[in-house]
Amino acid sequence: AQTVTQSQPEMSVQEAETVTLSCTYDTSESDYYLFWYKQPPSRQMILVIRQEAYKQQNATENRFSVNFQKAAKSFSLKISDSQLGDAAMYFCAYESWSGYSTLTFGKGTMLLVSP
Amino acid sequence: DSGVTQTPKHLITATGQRVTLRCSPRSGDLSVYWYQQSLDQGLQFLIQYYNGEERAKGNILERFSAQQFPDLHSELNLSSLELGDSALYFCASSPRTAEYGYTFGSGTRLTVV
Repeated sequence: AQTVTQSQPEMSVQEAETVTLSCTYDTSESDYYLFWYKQPPSRQMILVIRQEAYKQQNATENRFSVNFQKAAKSFSLKISDSQLGDAAMYFCAYESWSGYSTLTFGKGTMLLVSP
Repeated sequence: DSGVTQTPKHLITATGQRVTLRCSPRSGDLSVYWYQQSLDQGLQFLIQYYNGEERAKGNILERFSAQQFPDLHSELNLSSLELGDSALYFCASSPRTAEYGYTFGSGTRLTVV
């Protein structure tokens, strides 16, 4: 079974600064999908970014980008120019390539943003 | 609005009782997933339905059951409730496959007293 590990229970960043959230996973598969979800105080789960394992290029969505290291099974999220609205719990998630499996989530990293 | 509708948003009930949580998936999505989020356990997968049939089962207790109806809405039934069942219950949906991730509802906050 796949496992997803987020080793940072909490991270802090100041507005306009850059922060990186870490995620590692364990799998024997060669093709899969990785995701970062954001859960703000409203509790809504919001998809932030998605990466396909067979693509070498790191995914980018505006101020959010990933550093995908397939050999190291690492999938970190970089948030640039942090904003107060970025404060949330961030979850890393894994899904098998077929898309028919279910998402496996890490335990989350709470991101605090200070003015 | 994500397109996934969960009702009710909040539920307070006593131990031993039974409740039903309801979910309407995003239009066009065939798969429905139920997750439980508690403070110490993170997001735990409970069960998945695809086009009316159970597809995958996770750490779902025998006291819990679910179903997906012909109109694709789903219900999660929780019975003989215990204090430890207090949690946020999420429903999510996806198209035929979930390679683009899930769309989540806003959750049902269940408090068992």
